[in-house]
Amino acid sequence: AAGVIQSPRHLIKEKRETATLKCYPIPRHDTVYWYQQGPGQDPQFLISFYEKMQSDKGSIPDRFSAQQFSDYHSELNMSSLELGDSALYFCASSQTGQSYNEQFFGPGTRLTVL
Amino acid sequence: AQSVTQLDSHVSVSEGTPVLLRCNYSSSYSPSLFWYVQHPNKGLQLLLKYTSAATLVKGINGFEAEFKKSETSFHLTKPSAHMSDAAEYFCVVSFSGGYNKLIFGAGTRLAVHP
Repeated sequence: AAGVIQSPRHLIKEKRETATLKCYPIPRHDTVYWYQQGPGQDPQFLISFYEKMQSDKGSIPDRFSAQQFSDYHSELNMSSLELGDSALYFCASSQTGQSYNEQFFGPGTRLTVL
Repeated sequence: AQSVTQLDSHVSVSEGTPVLLRCNYSSSYSPSLFWYVQHPNKGLQLLLKYTSAATLVKGINGFEAEFKKSETSFHLTKPSAHMSDAAEYFCVVSFSGGYNKLIFGAGTRLAVHP
């Protein structure tokens, strides 16, 4: 079965650079969620999109922005990167109306800021 | 406010002995509850979910959890631990009033000794 695809899997950037993370949800899933997991931390919700509109917002810094496109894939744009942005970034997708909107997670993108 | 408390940050068991990972939740709404497992440098895998159909939920790899509303608990158990169970376990709550974002507990690291 198709799963959530995230690219790239690993990314190394310098401070103050920008980064773009991509997420391709499971086919027919209309909702995408982004989570950030710092070293030794639990995942924290950043932002979500339903039908290309932002549906909820969590602890996402103003330096970050995200959007969902017409094909339902999503991109997380991160600017002015800081050392503290080094983390594992997960994308998850779900299908509205599915039992309790179970979220399926991608493998994550590991971002390292030097 | 919705929250999840995992009562133990580390649990250590011997192979073949029972596993108990404790989780308490706080929710003003009817929650959906999940347990996810994360192996080192891996993504998040759903072990099981509570969706109000049955209070005793069976998951993958022999894990199960019991939803106890009176105790606001959702403890994860397994009768006999296997070496491959060593991982980080997250108790997670979601509620329909919160656009389905997942709220993670701090995690419990399970160590399994021969």
